Amino acid sequence: NAGVTQTPKFQVLKTGQSMTLQCAQDMNHNSMYWYRQDPGMGLRLIYYSASEGTTDKGEVPNGYNVSRLNKREFSLRLESAAPSQTSVYFCASTGTVLNQPQHFGDGTRLSIL
Amino acid sequence: TQLLEQSPQFLSIQEGENLTVYCNSSSVFSSLQWYRQEPGEGPVLLVTVVTGGEVKKLKRLTFQFGDARKDSSLHITAAQPGDTGLYLCAGAGGNNRLAFGKGNQVVVIP
Repeated sequence: NAGVTQTPKFQVLKTGQSMTLQCAQDMNHNSMYWYRQDPGMGLRLIYYSASEGTTDKGEVPNGYNVSRLNKREFSLRLESAAPSQTSVYFCASTGTVLNQPQHFGDGTRLSIL
Repeated sequence: TQLLEQSPQFLSIQEGENLTVYCNSSSVFSSLQWYRQEPGEGPVLLVTVVTGGEVKKLKRLTFQFGDARKDSSLHITAAQPGDTGLYLCAGAGGNNRLAFGKGNQVVVIP
């Protein structure tokens, strides 16, 4: 069982470059999320998608865009990377039943020079 | 604004000792979830507490949800090196969004 799969696992970018982080889940979940995790800051929500075709801003959306391509896939795009976006990015998904847990991928470690 | 405050931020103990970490908030949540995260991996759910005053046990781990559903604690009995990790609490307020605390980093020394 793959669960939530994120690609790539590691990436180094130069300031100003763009890239897309990919996320796919095979649990038929409706809701998907993108978080960033920085030392001492915990997990902060960037964007989320409650269902296919909808996306909403989270706590720290500036500098990012998302696409809910279909029910399985939710991508995060950095149009013009900045050093402040150096972080570990996690994708998660969950079902619609109240209080269900979120299932996380293993993260993408992104460094921007 | 950090809705959930976790304390202590870092805790180092010897194998066999007991420990308690806390997750506090001024907000009421429909449930609190505890996750454990190991280096290089995503968080993994340990338990969900839903009812005020609820106590759940998972082997040597005991989770308690406060009566007012604003806070929670995690107690580990006879800690082992395998308990080392970052413990994250998360409050569910609705619309399937979670508010995460910054975590309790626990290190158990053999």
